[in-house]
Amino acid sequence: DIQMTQSPSSLSASVGDRVTITCRASQSINRYLNWYQQKPGKAPKVLIYAASSLQSGVPSRFSGSGSGTDFTLTIGSLQPEDFATYYCQQTYSARTFGQGTKVEIK
Amino acid sequence: QLQLQESGSGLVKPSQTLSLACAVSGGSISSGGYSWSWIRQPPGKGLEWIGYIYHSGTTYYNPHLKSRVTMSVDRSKNQFSLDLRSVTAADTAVYYCAREATSAMTYAFDFWGQGTMVTVSS
Repeated sequence: DIQMTQSPSSLSASVGDRVTITCRASQSINRYLNWYQQKPGKAPKVLIYAASSLQSGVPSRFSGSGSGTDFTLTIGSLQPEDFATYYCQQTYSARTFGQGTKVEIK
Repeated sequence: QLQLQESGSGLVKPSQTLSLACAVSGGSISSGGYSWSWIRQPPGKGLEWIGYIYHSGTTYYNPHLKSRVTMSVDRSKNQFSLDLRSVTAADTAVYYCAREATSAMTYAFDFWGQGTMVTVSS
């Protein structure tokens, strides 16, 4: 089993802040790493795939980096619509999600 | 625009079988380059992948659920299905179906259903 650990589990930030969420895999997953955003009562939406590729239609303030075991999702300038829960997901072996990071308004 | 819609029983008794279907519209389930997954989310908790199926019928299940899961595809109806046997309260969750785009170095759930809540209770 590949375990995915996100940090922090939650954070408070203000509009305009730069926000960074990290995700660590229990073993190397190359760049088989995606990031999703989920708002309450809604299905998740893919933001970043293959560690750093921006999904079509996703604002450029979202970016991803990393390879191997350590990955980062960065929101360059937090907007009101970005308050949500973010999940990383590995697709190297089966499929596993991180536990989520809730981004709340400060 | 591709759309996925889950359907099935919202209430299942313990020890019975949870059965859901996912109808795909706006595209063919037989299109190459995609697999079709079930993912669930217990209330207030994170996401758990259950398994996927290709239009050919090839499946890959979460090892933790494999003994209780069967997925199938009906190309004539453009839908795929999930059976989860011997359910307990721990299987109570919102169940999502999703399409996974697959290509070299790229696997991601790019389209999702709205989700359906399934409660396991007597």
